Amino acid sequence: KQEVTQIPAALSVPEGENLVLNCSFTDSAIYNLQWFRQDPGKGLTSLLLIQSSQREQTSGRLNASLDKSSGRSTLYIAASQPGDSATYLCAVRQASGTYKYIFGTGTRLKVLA
Amino acid sequence: EAQVTQNPRYLITVTGKKLTVTCSQNMNHEYMSWYRQDPGLGLRQIYYSMNVEVTDKGDVPEGYKVSRKEKRNFPLILESPSPNQTSLYFCASSSLRDSGNNEQFFGPGTRLTVL
Repeated sequence: KQEVTQIPAALSVPEGENLVLNCSFTDSAIYNLQWFRQDPGKGLTSLLLIQSSQREQTSGRLNASLDKSSGRSTLYIAASQPGDSATYLCAVRQASGTYKYIFGTGTRLKVLA
Repeated sequence: EAQVTQNPRYLITVTGKKLTVTCSQNMNHEYMSWYRQDPGLGLRQIYYSMNVEVTDKGDVPEGYKVSRKEKRNFPLILESPSPNQTSLYFCASSSLRDSGNNEQFFGPGTRLTVL
């Protein structure tokens, strides 16, 4: 059974620092992996989607990478800002033939001004 | 504006009183899904639908029903709610036609309390 883990559960960094958030999954047979941001009491906002055939995706200060063979994805945030403070979630969609999604429990990020 | 809407946003009810949470999307997406979010457990998938009249169970379907009679709507039904169904519920949708653009879009959430 697919399990998705995000470590650390919480992280505090000073403003301006570059940081990496980690997402690990146990079954490499995935269709895609998506990174989300969730602000307190709010819904999820999609950040980046990586298909299983891709190695990375970039959007502005964000870069997500995928290494299926090792069961890992990283979300790199450059020059962090206080507005980046939120919980970051990753989700994997199982390989073709099923439409199930498995979420990690998230990393709560705080960027200090 | 492309969006997923849910109603109600907040609901307090009592054990056993049937309720329905509505979900609607205006993006013509084939795929729709329901999740619940609980502290320490993250988001868990309840049910999903690949198209009209096609639904399947997620990881935590017990105590819930869904229907997909129209492409845009995917209501979540709790026939006899219990306190352990107190949670934050999210509806999501995505396209299945475009394999390069099938990111999930989420609704704002429904906070349900069952007394």
